[in-house]
Amino acid sequence: QVQLQESGPGLVNPSETLSLTCSVSGGPMRHYYWSWIRQSPGKGLDWVGYIYYAGSTNYNPSLKSRVTISGDESKNQLSLKLTSVTAADTAIYYCAGSPRAGFPRQWGRGTLVTVSS
Amino acid sequence: NFMLTQPHSVSESPGRTVTISCTRSSGSIAGNYVQWYQQRPGSSPTIVIYEDNQRPSGVPGRFSGSIDRSSNSASLTISGLKTEDEADYYCQSYDSNTWVFGGGTKLTVL
Repeated sequence: QVQLQESGPGLVNPSETLSLTCSVSGGPMRHYYWSWIRQSPGKGLDWVGYIYYAGSTNYNPSLKSRVTISGDESKNQLSLKLTSVTAADTAIYYCAGSPRAGFPRQWGRGTLVTVSS
Repeated sequence: NFMLTQPHSVSESPGRTVTISCTRSSGSIAGNYVQWYQQRPGSSPTIVIYEDNQRPSGVPGRFSGSIDRSSNSASLTISGLKTEDEADYYCQSYDSNTWVFGGGTKLTVL
C-alpha cells in the first residue's frame, strides 16, 4: 500500500513561491499518476494538477500559469511549486496517487499552508 | 469545462438509507467514470467508490454507487446508516485530462 507524506513551509509570504514535497513509500513511483489537491479552510476539494511518472503533466486551467508539478523517481518524491501566491492560496495541500488515470486513490495526510505576511 | 453539483447537506437516522446525488452540468455522466470520497473531520479524504460503482477493499458493502443517464447524474447510496458514516462526501470525475470535484455534501446521521 502506497503511503504519502507532504512536507514544506507552513507559512509563505504573499507574492512569493509556495514549494511542497511529497515523499512516497510502499512502492515505486512508476506506472502511477501523482497529483496535488488542495482544500481551503472549511471549503471543498480543488484539483491542482497531476503528473504521470513518465513526466507528462496536466494542471487546473485556473492555476496553470502559476503551477509546476515534478517528480524525482530516484528520491521517490513529488514536488509542487505555486508562484505569486495570495491569501486565496491558503489551504491544506494533499498529495495523492493512483495506478489509474482520472482520479486520486491514496491520499496523504495533507499539510496546511498559510499565505500571510 | 463542466461542474459537478451536490446537495449541500443531507441527514438521516441510523439504520436508514441515504442517497447523495451528483449532477454533471455538461457532457455525459457516462462519458467518464465517477468516484466518491468520504472525508471525516480533521482527516484526509478516502475513496469509497471508484469507476461509478466499484468498491475498494475494506469499504463496507453498505456503500454503493450508480449513474443515471436520464438525469446526467451519479449517486452514492449508503444503507444501514451508522453514526460513523457522518462525514463530508465528494464526487469527482474528469474530462480532457481535467479533474473536477463536486462541492461536497455534509451527511448528518442523527
